[in-house]
Amino acid sequence: EAQVTQNPRYLITVTGKKLTVTCSQNMNHEYMSWYRQDPGLGLRQIYYSMNVEVTDKGDVPEGYKVSRKEKRNFPLILESPSPNQTSLYFCASSFGPTFRAEKLFFGSGTQLSVL
Amino acid sequence: KQEVTQIPAALSVPEGENLVLNCSFTDSAIYNLQWFRQDPGKGLTSLLLIQSSQREQTSGRLNASLDKSSGRSTLYIAASQPGDSATYLCACNKGNTPLVFGKGTRLSVIA
Repeated sequence: EAQVTQNPRYLITVTGKKLTVTCSQNMNHEYMSWYRQDPGLGLRQIYYSMNVEVTDKGDVPEGYKVSRKEKRNFPLILESPSPNQTSLYFCASSFGPTFRAEKLFFGSGTQLSVL
Repeated sequence: KQEVTQIPAALSVPEGENLVLNCSFTDSAIYNLQWFRQDPGKGLTSLLLIQSSQREQTSGRLNASLDKSSGRSTLYIAASQPGDSATYLCACNKGNTPLVFGKGTRLSVIA
């Protein structure tokens, strides 16, 4: 089944404790991205990747890191999480970048709480 | 900066009714516009994608239209069913920029 898999689904952590949210897709997509969704603010892009070893900042990259060493995986790293990073996070992928009219496929989300 | 607005924020209709969800955007020079559905506890599912050169797209009971000159898109749902209850989001982009999402319309279809 074609899908984008994120783990974990729920995560509670404390300020400053490094964490990684994994994302994997099995559709051979070149384009992958991370979003956060907050009440009243909607979905905002954190980082995106056009292909292996090619990543770039989205609208809200501060406090996050990403890497794209393999085509299928695009982990999101919070090296020193803070309470303002409490949010619902989504990974998404598509064959090409969204400006080329490619449909986005989303993972099920990771609800992160930073205490 | 592109802003995407969806009105109303919530909508409740009886089963069987035809309905229209609205999406407006401030910058008409968009490349494409997508409509998504989000169910509680789940990710977003792309429903329809309209390229800037197109006027509408259809999939089953769903029809999305795009009027770039007025900065508007509509999602028409025919013969609504309780299973259509979800939050519907529209998103658009221009050039090599991130998709800009609206905040969504939460739809409840009452049996």
